[in-house]
Amino acid sequence: DAMVIQNPRYQVTQFGKPVTLSCSQTLNHNVMYWYQQKSSQAPKLLFHYYDKDFNNEADTPDNFQSRRPNTSFCFLDIRSPGLGDAAMYLCATSRDPSPMNTEAFFGQGTRLTVV
Amino acid sequence: GNSVTQMEGPVTLSEEAFLTINCTYTATGYPSLFWYVQYPGEGLQLLLKATKADDKGSNKGFEATYRKETTSFHLEKGSVQVSDSAVYFCALRIHQAGTALIFGKGTTLSVSS
Repeated sequence: DAMVIQNPRYQVTQFGKPVTLSCSQTLNHNVMYWYQQKSSQAPKLLFHYYDKDFNNEADTPDNFQSRRPNTSFCFLDIRSPGLGDAAMYLCATSRDPSPMNTEAFFGQGTRLTVV
Repeated sequence: GNSVTQMEGPVTLSEEAFLTINCTYTATGYPSLFWYVQYPGEGLQLLLKATKADDKGSNKGFEATYRKETTSFHLEKGSVQVSDSAVYFCALRIHQAGTALIFGKGTTLSVSS
């Protein structure tokens, strides 16, 4: 059974048109992450929520925002997508603090295309 | 800072060959170490992990040992299969609440029959 679910799997959006990607989890984990992965590169952390506390990476563009209305759901909003924002977006969860179970569980990702 | 360095790919092997993918790390704190695998078009799946020095993680014939003295976590498999073709990411996470996984650049493995 899928534990971290991302919708949609594939998203096509127009240049400059706002788009929202969604992530839900059934693990009741308190931490949720959004990563951006461009072709043949490592996933890059954009931001994460520790419970309700939002933690933005220093180099994440202002164009990227996130919302977490409850424990189960987290959204990634791209206010004005550019061609350079085309990528795979990965949502992940973990349970903190738990030093012996520090792995993250990933969704299948959303492949974003900007046209 | 914290970082992970993996061997450059792609790695191309014949079926039943022995696999080693090197991974070394630097960490300001005490990390857990992971190998994740990504199949084409998919998200990341945890392959194995080790949470303290000298621990050996293993899964599906893959193994990696947490070597604190050499700051390494090399991935090995004795006999690869075509179905092992994927991208492999080494990652670390510091034992501190609120920290995220830090990934290496990934190594593409291609196995032919």
